Amino acid sequence: GAVVSQHPSWVICKSGTSVKIECRSLDFQATTMFWYRQFPKQSLMLMATSNEGSKATYEQGVEKDKFLINHASLTLSTLTVTSAHPEDSSFYICSASRVFHNEQFFGPGTRLTVL
Amino acid sequence: AQTVTQSQPEMSVQEAETVTLSCTYDTSESNYYLFWYKQPPSRQMILVIRQEAYKQQNATENRFSVNFQKAAKSFSLKISDSQLGDTAMYFCAFMKRLPTQGGSEKLVFGKGTKLTVNP
Repeated sequence: GAVVSQHPSWVICKSGTSVKIECRSLDFQATTMFWYRQFPKQSLMLMATSNEGSKATYEQGVEKDKFLINHASLTLSTLTVTSAHPEDSSFYICSASRVFHNEQFFGPGTRLTVL
Repeated sequence: AQTVTQSQPEMSVQEAETVTLSCTYDTSESNYYLFWYKQPPSRQMILVIRQEAYKQQNATENRFSVNFQKAAKSFSLKISDSQLGDTAMYFCAFMKRLPTQGGSEKLVFGKGTKLTVNP
């Protein structure tokens, strides 16, 4: 139980285009979802926290207009990187938590490469 | 704000031996959780072990155990009988405990320790 999927697992796009990454909790309802960014050989950096049906809370320094997060249902959150640039290339990881559990379950991550 | 410090960027151990990874944290919270996550080359984050701060007993999971020193704010991970599959990045993480059970607080991660198990 407690499986989280991400789609796509990798994506290559041209500079200036937008890319959407999906995060799904497959066998539980996720009250809260988190989006992280990870650069090579570095730790996970929290970008934002989203609760179903409400606006995401972004960490300081994260551009909310560039990284659009939608948590429309208890099983799906999306991260859209708008007008992507090469510096947005990174590994993006989502996690999800469920009611009565103080624990996060991680997706497998999405590697984004912007040319 | 909470901070998590892992002072060992890299470590290595021989197969079948024991290794200890260090982690210290700083917080003014009294109720919280501490975690060790493993990130193998696949980059999937895997929960290794979890400790609830109000529990005095150190958590254990098979070959993995922790030494939780609350007063010293120290949370080290001991891996016994190291296996080649233990080669990975290991992240120590802190989570504040919510007063209700409605969901999860955010995780604060350390910078990680790269562990290599040598045959």
